[in-house]
Amino acid sequence: EQQVQQSPASLVLQEAENAELQCSFSIFTNQVQWFYQRPGGRLVSLLYNPSGTKQSGRLTSTTVIKERRSSLHISSSQITDSGTYLCAMERDYNQGKLIFGQGTKLSIKP
Amino acid sequence: GPKVLQIPSHQIIDMGQMVTLNCDPVSNHLYFYWYKQILGQQMEFLVNFYNGKVMEKSKLFKDQFSVERPDGSYFTLKIQPTALEDSAVYFCASSYGTGGGEQYFGPGTRLTVL
Repeated sequence: EQQVQQSPASLVLQEAENAELQCSFSIFTNQVQWFYQRPGGRLVSLLYNPSGTKQSGRLTSTTVIKERRSSLHISSSQITDSGTYLCAMERDYNQGKLIFGQGTKLSIKP
Repeated sequence: GPKVLQIPSHQIIDMGQMVTLNCDPVSNHLYFYWYKQILGQQMEFLVNFYNGKVMEKSKLFKDQFSVERPDGSYFTLKIQPTALEDSAVYFCASSYGTGGGEQYFGPGTRLTVL
C-alpha cells in the first residue's frame, strides 16, 4: 500500500505559470515536509509544514491534517524550478521515520 | 541553515567488501537517520538512531548493515559484506526531536557495488 500519494506524477508548464502539487496520506500524520530533488539527486528541504499554511518566497504549502493532505504551490515558475518534488510524512507517534511519496516531476519550458 | 555533511560523495567497491559511509549531523541534533534511494526509485527509510541505540529499522536494513556514533563523532552506516543490490544513494538525516521535528538531510553518498 502506498502510504503517501503524490499527484500529478509529472507536470509540464510554461515559464511564469503557477504549479500546484498535491500529496495525500493513508494515515494521520503530525509532520509533513516538502523537498526538491535536483536532477543529480541532491535533496533540498523546501518547507516543513505539519499543519496550516506556510510560505517561503514563491512557495506556499497548505496542510490540512483532518483531510490527510498537503499541497505545494509554486508561483511564477522558472526554468530552474524543473526537477522532482517529494512529499514526506512522519507516521503519527512514530520515531522520526519519514515516508516519502514517489514524487512529481516538474518541467518548466521557456 | 543547518547542514548535514556526508563523506564520501561517491564510493565504488567490489561485491563482498566492507564499506563505511560517514555522516556529520547538525551539532545539537539528537536523532539520526539513514535513507536509501535506488536510482529512479522512491526514497526509503532504513534506520533511526537515538542515544546510542537503534530505535527502528526497516526490512531494507539487512543483517549486514550496522550503525553507530561513537563518542559523538560521525554517525556511520557500515555494510559488511556488500551485495550488488546495495548500490544506491544513501542519505543521512538528523533532527533535534521526533514527533514533528524537521529533518535535515545531507547531500548523499552514491555507492556503486561492482
